[in-house]
Amino acid sequence: EIVLTQSPGTLSLSPGERATLSCRASQNVISYLAWYQQRPGQAPRLLIYDTSNRATGIPARFSGSGSGTDFTLTITSLEPEDFAVYYCQQRRSWPITFGQGTRLEIK
Amino acid sequence: EVQLLESGGGLVQPGGSLRLSCAASGFTFSSSDMSWVRQAPGKGLEWVSAISASGDITHYADSVKGRFIISRDNSMNTLDLQMNDMRAEDTAVYFCAKDLNLPIGWSPFDYWGQGTLVTVSS
Repeated sequence: EIVLTQSPGTLSLSPGERATLSCRASQNVISYLAWYQQRPGQAPRLLIYDTSNRATGIPARFSGSGSGTDFTLTITSLEPEDFAVYYCQQRRSWPITFGQGTRLEIK
Repeated sequence: EVQLLESGGGLVQPGGSLRLSCAASGFTFSSSDMSWVRQAPGKGLEWVSAISASGDITHYADSVKGRFIISRDNSMNTLDLQMNDMRAEDTAVYFCAKDLNLPIGWSPFDYWGQGTLVTVSS
């Protein structure tokens, strides 16, 4: 099983700042890495798939990068609605696995 | 508009069974791989099971293999999860999720239902 480790666990920033979230895989996932946002009481929302492709309707301030085992989600100029929990997910091999999440909170 | 509506959650005793359903609309259900993903209270996301568009291929997490069965009815646009021999650790919100259907491989999930809560307790 591929284990995904996200860091930091919690990130405290202010609106307008830049957020950088990391996801490290225990094995090479090539580029098969996605990112989701989950707001309290809501279902997850797909942001990025296959490392750097924005899903439909996702603002350009969200971007993804990386390859192999190290991946990054960057949110430029944080908006109030961006404060949420973010998960990475790999589809390189079964079972599909998620990271434990990074909580992005308002400083 | 894509809609996924889960039902069937509730309270069940350890060792008991429960069947979840997901009613899909707004897309060609028979062309989409589907999955169940769960989230224990206050915890992260855990993929549970996946089924191919035609229903002939299924995958399960080790934690539910041999106890849960995923199925679908493409004539009714429904996805089911039969959960048997349930344990306290199965307590979670269960989400139905639609696959993005990329050319290679399975997932990610571009649409999710709002989830149904399953509680396993005596």
